[in-house]
Amino acid sequence: DAGITQSPRHKVTETGTPVTLRCHQTENHRYMYWYRQDPGHGLRLIHYSYGVKDTDKGEVSDGYSVSRSKTEDFLLTLESATSSQTSVYFCAISGRDEKYEQYFGPGTRLTVT
Amino acid sequence: AQSVSQHNHHVILSEAASLELGCNYSYGGTVNLFWYVQYPGQHLQLLLKYFSGDPLVKGIKGFEAEFIKSKFSFNLRKPSVQWSDTAEYFCAASRYSSASKIIFGSGTRLSIRP
Repeated sequence: DAGITQSPRHKVTETGTPVTLRCHQTENHRYMYWYRQDPGHGLRLIHYSYGVKDTDKGEVSDGYSVSRSKTEDFLLTLESATSSQTSVYFCAISGRDEKYEQYFGPGTRLTVT
Repeated sequence: AQSVSQHNHHVILSEAASLELGCNYSYGGTVNLFWYVQYPGQHLQLLLKYFSGDPLVKGIKGFEAEFIKSKFSFNLRKPSVQWSDTAEYFCAASRYSSASKIIFGSGTRLSIRP
C-alpha cells in the first residue's frame, strides 16, 4: 500500500464549528486530492493540489478550503461544518505523470451533528 | 459534460458465476480508464487501468476489462467470482492530459452468495 495516512480517522463535530482533516504521504508524489464519498454518488473531487502552494477546486468545493505548505501534507478545512458535510473523506495521491493512477488513503469518517 | 455511468447499482451472484459490470463514459478525446474496488470498511484499491494499446486489460485477482471505443464502454469481467469478491466497484475516467479530473461512477455493489 502507498504510504498515505489520514487523521483523524473518525470525528464527530457540531454544526458551525471549523474542522481540519490531514492527509500525509511518504511517497513524495506531486499530486494530492481530497474526495468525499456518499451513497449513490461515488467519489466526488473536492480540491486537489499539483504542488506545494498550488491548489485548485474540484467538483464540490463550496464550504471547503485546502492548504499544502509541504509536499507531504495536504489539509482540508471545513470552514463552518454543516450536516450536509457528513461523509467519508478520502485523500489520494498520484505520481509524476498526470495519467498515473491514484492511490487512496484509509479515509476519515466525519459526522456533523 | 464529462461523466461516468454505472448502470448496475447492486449485483447479486452465486459463487462461480461469471461477472460483467457495465461502465460507460462520456468524454471527448483520449481517455484513461480505471476500475477500483473497495472492500467493506476499506479504501479504494486499483484493480486495473487502461491508457493505450491492447483494449483488453488484465488486472489483479483475475479481473479483466475491455475498452470498446465505439461504445464508450469499459466493462469489467471475471469468469468465476468468489465470495471474497464481495465489494463495491467503481469505474473512473480521466482525460489523457489531465490529472485533476478523474471522474468516478456511482459504484456497483457486488454481493456474492456462498
